[in-house]
Amino acid sequence: KQEVTQIPAALSVPEGENLVLNCSFTDSAIYNLQWFRQDPGKGLTSLLLIQSSQREQTSGRLNASLDKSSGRSTLYIAASQPGDSATYLCAVRASGTYKYIFGTGTRLKVLA
Amino acid sequence: DGGITQSPKYLFRKEGQNVTLSCEQNLNHDAMYWYRQDPGQGLRLIYYSQIVNDFQKGDIAEGYSVSREKKESFPLTVTSAQKNPTAFYLCASSTVSRGWTEAFFGQGTRLTVV
Repeated sequence: KQEVTQIPAALSVPEGENLVLNCSFTDSAIYNLQWFRQDPGKGLTSLLLIQSSQREQTSGRLNASLDKSSGRSTLYIAASQPGDSATYLCAVRASGTYKYIFGTGTRLKVLA
Repeated sequence: DGGITQSPKYLFRKEGQNVTLSCEQNLNHDAMYWYRQDPGQGLRLIYYSQIVNDFQKGDIAEGYSVSREKKESFPLTVTSAQKNPTAFYLCASSTVSRGWTEAFFGQGTRLTVV
């Protein structure tokens, strides 16, 4: 059974720092991996989608990498800002299914 | 604007009452999903549908029911059999293909038992 883990569960950093959020999954048979952002009381906003054949995707200050063989993905946030404060979730879509399996998220706080 | 609309934003349920959460999308997506989110537990899949008139149970389907009569709509009914329904409910949709299937989410419905 696919399981997705995110470490750390919470992170607090000063503004301007570069930071890395981690996501690991137990079964490497995936179609893709998606990173989301969730603000308190809100839905999920898609940040980046990485196909299983890709190694990384970039959008602005965000860069996500995927190492399928080791079951890991990282989300790199450059020059963090207070507006980046949110919970970040990763989800994998397992091969042969249309289901998305989520990690429990990393709650990020960027201090001004 | 294309997107997913969930309503209502807040819903209160009395003991023994059935309530229905609405989810509508205009993205022309075939697949739709319902997730439940509880503090510290992440998102758990309740039901999903890959095509009209077909749906499958997720990991926590007991006490819930769905229908998929139209491509655009996937309502979720929380029945009186669901003993702990207080949670944040999220609806999502995606295309149906082997590869590029980005999932999009609505803004959620917060259900509270009173």
